[in-house]
Amino acid sequence: SQQGEEDPQALSIQEGENATMNCSYKTSINNLQWYRQNSGRGLVHLILIRSNEREKHSGRLRVTLDTSKKSSSLLITASRAADTASYFCATGKQAGTALIFGKGTTLSVSS
Amino acid sequence: EPEVTQTPSHQVTQMGQEVILRCVPISNHLYFYWYRQILGQKVEFLVSFYNNEISEKSEIFDDQFSVERPDGSNFTLKIRSTKLEDSAMYFCASGTRGGNEQFFGPGTRLTVL
Repeated sequence: SQQGEEDPQALSIQEGENATMNCSYKTSINNLQWYRQNSGRGLVHLILIRSNEREKHSGRLRVTLDTSKKSSSLLITASRAADTASYFCATGKQAGTALIFGKGTTLSVSS
Repeated sequence: EPEVTQTPSHQVTQMGQEVILRCVPISNHLYFYWYRQILGQKVEFLVSFYNNEISEKSEIFDDQFSVERPDGSNFTLKIRSTKLEDSAMYFCASGTRGGNEQFFGPGTRLTVL
């Protein structure tokens, strides 16, 4: 399968620090997306990076993609307590097809 | 900002009963999806729907499951005879034609007793 698998499983940091989460997958992809999920809530789309892109920014988020290593990273800079959530990567082939999610990284930001 | 909505937010049912979970996708979206997340586990794809038919389904989406777009706005997931293992959070998502992003609703928590 083209599973995304994140590491670390859990990450605890202080406000103001940067948080880096990694995702690996197994097969070729069209795109990779990152989502945030607050406890017991829905999935919020954060950012999409296409297979022909290497880096993308959105506000305090920076995503990289290395298709040769089949891996991606999500960097959250200057973290805030409100960033506390689970973060998932999901790989996709094309519009209208399944996203395959990883198990997620649980980020805890303390003030 | 338009968003996907789902009702109910929480459904409790007895094993063997039928349930219908409802979703209103974003209005100009053409692709619709259902996913589920068993407590503590990863989000799993169930089915995608486009042009009034299923375009892709997973092994989870067996004969007990069906989807329907009964009118221009609603998208439903029916489970005919619920099992204990169907207890999960069910998420609806939608996306634009040609767009890869999928936008998720808040979910329906299904509890089967």
